[in-house]
Amino acid sequence: NAGVTQTPKFQVLKTGQSMTLQCAQDMNHNSMYWYRQDPGMGLRLIYYSASEGTTDKGEVPNGYNVSRLNKREFSLRLESAAPSQTSVYFCASNNVRNTEAFFGQGTRLTVV
Amino acid sequence: KQEVTQIPAALSVPEGENLVLNCSFTDSAIYNLQWFRQDPGKGLTSLLLIQSSQREQTSGRLNASLDKSSGRSTLYIAASQPGDSATYLCAAPSGAAGNKLTFGGGTRVLVKP
Repeated sequence: NAGVTQTPKFQVLKTGQSMTLQCAQDMNHNSMYWYRQDPGMGLRLIYYSASEGTTDKGEVPNGYNVSRLNKREFSLRLESAAPSQTSVYFCASNNVRNTEAFFGQGTRLTVV
Repeated sequence: KQEVTQIPAALSVPEGENLVLNCSFTDSAIYNLQWFRQDPGKGLTSLLLIQSSQREQTSGRLNASLDKSSGRSTLYIAASQPGDSATYLCAAPSGAAGNKLTFGGGTRVLVKP
């Protein structure tokens, strides 16, 4: 019953450092998503992958890259972290049009 | 572009009262609409998914309605309990293929014992 698993749960980075957030789902979903959640801004879509082998930009893609490694895994990379990227990051998955979206527990990232 | 709005942003009710949470969306050509619950510091938990062909979906004390023509969905929580205190978010599909979820800002609910 794992659902959507994100790692790490917490991370502190220095400005300019890079890191990759990992996400895996075990529900055989086609679509996967990365969101960030900031106070007063709600949930905003960074990137999504409608199916294995495809990725598309969301509302706020600048400063991020993604990789859909296989059907299960979708990673988010920050190449050069900035304080503006301090946020809580959520990964989600679903089968578009048919099923509920399920979310991971989030990664709380602080960039100092 | 799909825009999703939830009003009010916060709501406080005494225990036992029924809760009515509103969600409005601008693009009525949606396949479905989903309601989530988020507890502080936690991820989102799916509550209900209403397909576009449905007008209502029920799960226990929760009932969600969908009116595509008016661009509205309502989540009803009967006989509220302190454990219902959380933020409730709705999300509607957006994009040409409906393969992105756009979220409302959420309604923060406090149920007072």
